[in-house]
Amino acid sequence: QLQLQESGPGLVKSSETLSLTCTVSGGSISSSSYYWGWIRQPPGKGLEWIGTIYYSGATYFNPSLMSRVTISVDTSKNQFSLKLSSVTAADTAVYYCARHNILRGFDPWGQGTLVTVSS
Amino acid sequence: NFMLTQPHSVSESPEKTVTISCTGSSGSIASNYVQWYQQRPGSAPSTVIYEDNQRPSGVPDRFSGSIDSSSNSASLTISGLKTEDEADYYCQSYDSSNNYVFGTGTKVTVL
Repeated sequence: QLQLQESGPGLVKSSETLSLTCTVSGGSISSSSYYWGWIRQPPGKGLEWIGTIYYSGATYFNPSLMSRVTISVDTSKNQFSLKLSSVTAADTAVYYCARHNILRGFDPWGQGTLVTVSS
Repeated sequence: NFMLTQPHSVSESPEKTVTISCTGSSGSIASNYVQWYQQRPGSAPSTVIYEDNQRPSGVPDRFSGSIDSSSNSASLTISGLKTEDEADYYCQSYDSSNNYVFGTGTKVTVL
């Protein structure tokens, strides 16, 4: 059974860079059938897609965030990572990673990790 | 920018039926698949409908999805409502620029 687990600091200072890693277990991140995505959810608000990566390194980003987002993949560790630069309080959210089938959506999801941006 | 709009909340009694709409802002919603996710409090979302009207294994057949091109909307219908269905529900689709969008979300309350 495929499982995803987010990891990284729960507190980031304003103007710094948020860094998270998603570890995939129970399956290979190099599967040709799937992409891998990051989604976030501010407290009490809705879901926002951040970006998606293929094991080859091809990426797609939310236009509203793409100037600050980097997503990378490490197939040797079965992991993919998110970096979000110049964070503000508006970036405080639960960050989820998920397997992404372009046609079928995001499934399964990691449990999510809360990242708080402090001033 | 492509957007998906949902009603903020819906409520109904147990055993009744609720329908949640998801209206596209531009283009034809029928052009690309729509997914529906259920998110219970404190949990990650999970898929209840994919590819407009397909149910993953383990999702009860009380959940169904449809597309109405005339209103440029997708709909999620939950019949025989149970207390366990109380959750937030999000639609999701994409546009021709590989921009993946979630709907605004609907809170379903079982009275």
